Amino acid sequence: GQNIDQPTEMTATEGAIVQINCTYQTSGFNGLFWYQQHAGEAPTFLSYNVLDGLEEKGRFSSFLSRSKGYSYLLLKELQMKDSASYLCAVRDVGGNTPLVFGKGTRLSVIA
Amino acid sequence: DGGITQSPKYLFRKEGQNVTLSCEQNLNHDAMYWYRQDPGQGLRLIYYSQIVNDFQKGDIAEGYSVSREKKESFPLTVTSAQKNPTAFYLCASTKEREKLFFGSGTQLSVL
Repeated sequence: GQNIDQPTEMTATEGAIVQINCTYQTSGFNGLFWYQQHAGEAPTFLSYNVLDGLEEKGRFSSFLSRSKGYSYLLLKELQMKDSASYLCAVRDVGGNTPLVFGKGTRLSVIA
Repeated sequence: DGGITQSPKYLFRKEGQNVTLSCEQNLNHDAMYWYRQDPGQGLRLIYYSQIVNDFQKGDIAEGYSVSREKKESFPLTVTSAQKNPTAFYLCASTKEREKLFFGSGTQLSVL
């Protein structure tokens, strides 16, 4: 089976740093994705990790440890527009195997 | 510009009625997917297709049907057998091992 866990809600202050964790148990692994989703809109791609380590892209970074089944998304210099849901998704082995999504973490950025 | 187009944006279904959600892509992607999202929940896979004239059931296929007669199109029919159809429906596509591209979504409600 496949199971992906992430916190349901988080609150952080404008200008601060927040880390959103994701743990997964899947039968196979072929990459982990992070998406951002504003209410009523489609998810937009943030990052992709397939090897262990940190991937940095501007204010957003994502980390992966395959041996621990663990990833996190790090958001720096938080802005009000970062208030959204953040979805962790894992791809099993196979070229176009569907992504399995966690339930998402709703982040609220407050002044 | 290439992308995925979903229509309509809002759809209302009467009791006992079948409704069809449209999804068209001009990205030349082989694989297409339908996900359902309920409030506060992650994305759950309904159906997916990796090639024309072939598709597979996802985790929650009961009460839904699809077709894939053309590479560009992957319509989803919500049948009367789906007793709780109210949700946000997202269509997505991808090339092998790449990120998912999402359409803008269809909000389906029951009258």
